[in-house]
Order: sequence, then C-alpha cells, then structure tokens
Amino acid sequence: QSALTQPASVSGSPGQSITISCTGTRSDVGGYNYVSWYQQHPGKAPKLMIYEVSSRPSGVPDRFSGSKSGNTASLTISGLQAEDEADYYCSSYTSSSTVVFGGGTKLTVL
Amino acid sequence: EVQLVQSGAEVKKPGESLKISCKGSGYRFTSYWIGWVRQMPGKGLEWMGIIYPGDSDTRYSPSFQGQVTISADKSISTAYLQWSSLEASDTAMYYCARYASLSAGSDYWGQGTLVTVSS
Repeated sequence: QSALTQPASVSGSPGQSITISCTGTRSDVGGYNYVSWYQQHPGKAPKLMIYEVSSRPSGVPDRFSGSKSGNTASLTISGLQAEDEADYYCSSYTSSSTVVFGGGTKLTVL
Repeated sequence: EVQLVQSGAEVKKPGESLKISCKGSGYRFTSYWIGWVRQMPGKGLEWMGIIYPGDSDTRYSPSFQGQVTISADKSISTAYLQWSSLEASDTAMYYCARYASLSAGSDYWGQGTLVTVSS
C-alpha cells in the first residue's frame, strides 16, 4: 500500500481559510468513510482533529472541518490562527484491514 | 484519565534486539486497539501495525511485516513493539496510539520512544 498523497506545504494569513487535500485510491480513501486527520506540533505527539471524514472529537474547534469526494479527502481550517501552524497528516482505513498515512503537510501561518 | 505511557529512550547497536512498551491506564485495555507509528527524523508518520489486546488479533503494514513483532500482555495492560536485529535505519521516534476501531482514528497517543541505532 502506498502513502496517501498530500501537498508538502500550504500557507495562509491569520483569519483566512486553507484546505489540505489527501488523495488515495478506491482501496482506501475512496472505498470507506474512514479518513482521519492529525495535527502535530514540533516535538509533540500527533493529535486527532477529524475522524470518519468529518467528525470532530470533543475539544477540537469547529474551525476544523473535513470532507471527501471520490478518492480525495480534505481538511479545511477556517479563521486561521497562529497556533494552527503545524504539520497535518491524513490517514485512512484500507481494504487490507490496515491503516495508511499521508506524507504530511506543513501549514505555515504567515 | 486515559493515558498511554511509553518506555524510555534507547540507544542500541546494529544487530541488537529491542522491545519497547506502551502501558495503558484509565480505560479498559482489552476493549481498544493499540497501534504503533514510526516517525523517522524529520519525516512523516508511518503506520506499522496494530493489536487488539482482547484477543491478540494483530495486523501489520506490508512495509513492516516480518520486520517487527507487536504483542500485548493484557494482565498488565501493556503493548510491545520488538525487533530481533536492529539496523541503523530503525533510528526513529516510535509512538503507540489507542484506536476504538481501525476506522475511528487514534484518540490517545503515547509520548513517544526515541530509538537510536548506531555503532
């Protein structure tokens, strides 16, 4: 199984919205509504931000939202804040009953 | 409070064996999966495999199948990741993470165990 494809970097100014894409195949992203998104700050463990494509765990701001179309999932962050600057990873359940991560996207808040 | 506490940093030589641990507390250990994730220096997250301590059902990423062994001792609420012969390329941070199901994402993570393999 190959890693899911994410852009290496995205950037935005405070208050703006950004979207990070995550492209897979019918065997992972496209085949199941089981995409998760994680935020990782430098030197810290990842934090779950979105699960099952668009559900938010308790405590995650509603500025974070997820969606999916075909083989591509997306994470949108609206009202960007300085503390949103981090690495973001998508992951998906696969047809092999395993999980695969994306390569990660570095978000820079300008 | 749910916690996953991992064992401390390790420095090993190539060819040596190693077993690192992840102890769960604050929840029913046998009712959740524990996954392992590798992060090489400056690189992204890689999913290695997962175990369900309730029945020891274990799945591996094809990239890690045969390279590592995942196990669990439910009597002490601890999961393990082990190598029989380390290589320099195993140098990385290793995280354990709790999954309610493989579809649900991992809601709690350990603090990470840094493994350094160097001659």
